[in-house]
Amino acid sequence: EPEVTQTPSHQVTQMGQEVILRCVPISNHLYFYWYRQILGQKVEFLVSFYNNEISEKSEIFDDQFSVERPDGSNFTLKIRSTKLEDSAMYFCASSPAPFNTEAFFGQGTRLTVV
Amino acid sequence: AQTVTQSQPEMSVQEAETVTLSCTYDTSESDYYLFWYKQPPSRQMILVIRQEAYKQQNATENRFSVNFQKAAKSFSLKISDSQLGDAAMYFCAQLGGGAQKLVFGQGTRLTINP
Repeated sequence: EPEVTQTPSHQVTQMGQEVILRCVPISNHLYFYWYRQILGQKVEFLVSFYNNEISEKSEIFDDQFSVERPDGSNFTLKIRSTKLEDSAMYFCASSPAPFNTEAFFGQGTRLTVV
Repeated sequence: AQTVTQSQPEMSVQEAETVTLSCTYDTSESDYYLFWYKQPPSRQMILVIRQEAYKQQNATENRFSVNFQKAAKSFSLKISDSQLGDAAMYFCAQLGGGAQKLVFGQGTRLTINP
């Protein structure tokens, strides 16, 4: 069964460093998403991406964040100059269409900023 | 703005019994979709069941069923014959209004007592 895969599963980084979280969406999907879940809190939408550009983003997704689809398979989330409050679980998701289908989630990357 | 509320932070049930998790939502849209996601200790988000707002019939997936009350904006999840593997966080989520993002509730932690 096709699945969304994320690497790494856990990343520890020092405050102020840049991190790149990687995702391989399901191959025939066209819409890609990043969500964040701070420990003990709800899952929050960060950004959606379609046709090589951001289609929607939340207030959380400020200039510190960027997304990219560098090739035909990977979808990355870059966090510049990480802060302690960026520590969270980051989920990548993909869907074949934006509206009438569910998003399939990866297993998540746990980011710890120290 | 869309909001999703889960008023039960924690629920517990005896193995083989039935449990119902509550969810209410608020939207001004007429066309939307509702989901229940399960998050086991591994923290992956797994789709349990989905409901299209335009369908009057409640969705069912094996032991999982929903009670969708559109006028009341209520979307509860019923788990029959609870199993130990059902223990997890359960998130209610909404997709709609032309937005591509899922809006999640705060989650309900379900414990299954053997």
